Amino acid sequence: KAGVTQTPRYLIKTRGQQVTLSCSPISGHRSVSWYQQTPGQGLQFLFEYFSETQRNKGNFPGRFSGRQFSNSRSEMNVSTLELGDSALYLCATNPGGSSNYGYTFGSGTRLTVV
Amino acid sequence: KNEVEQSPQNLTAQEGEFITINCSYSVGISALHWLQQHPGGGIVSLFMLSSGKKKHGRLIATINIQEKHSSLHITASHPRDSAVYICAVSEVQGAQKLVFGQGTRLTINP
Repeated sequence: KAGVTQTPRYLIKTRGQQVTLSCSPISGHRSVSWYQQTPGQGLQFLFEYFSETQRNKGNFPGRFSGRQFSNSRSEMNVSTLELGDSALYLCATNPGGSSNYGYTFGSGTRLTVV
Repeated sequence: KNEVEQSPQNLTAQEGEFITINCSYSVGISALHWLQQHPGGGIVSLFMLSSGKKKHGRLIATINIQEKHSSLHITASHPRDSAVYICAVSEVQGAQKLVFGQGTRLTINP
């Protein structure tokens, strides 16, 4: 079966711009979580969506937002980009309903802000 | 202090050696995950544990819930095992969110 698909794979943006990243989960996976990975901070939780509702949010500013569609695909948006937003953004999906399901990760979107 | 601590941070070994990576956590968990990340960024889930021991090929993962400690072992290591290994936990109170260790960079030399 198809894996978790993240698009685009690479992105270069200028400070002040906004960006939208996409994550398409495995069929049947209704929970989508987003993570930011930087060399200094490691992997940090951004937010999690299930059935089009945000269930959890990490400690990130309001410039970071997301949504989930009825087909479980999720997008995250970062507005007014800063240099420090340069990172690998990963999504992870699972069937949802319980944290005891394993996770399947996408390949990530590498964002560079210049 | 981080909720999830891994050791060592870096590990270099010769092909064929037995490898152990340790993970300690300070919160109540519903499950512990071992992940592998290769250069390029993609993450692969190796194991999910809530008790005992699991084995897959040359990889073995154990967890001691009372001591809040887990280990990942690699037997007969090979250069293709070179990667970053990450321990992550699903907190009992924080459903559907992973908390990560800082990762262990493993290099296996031929």
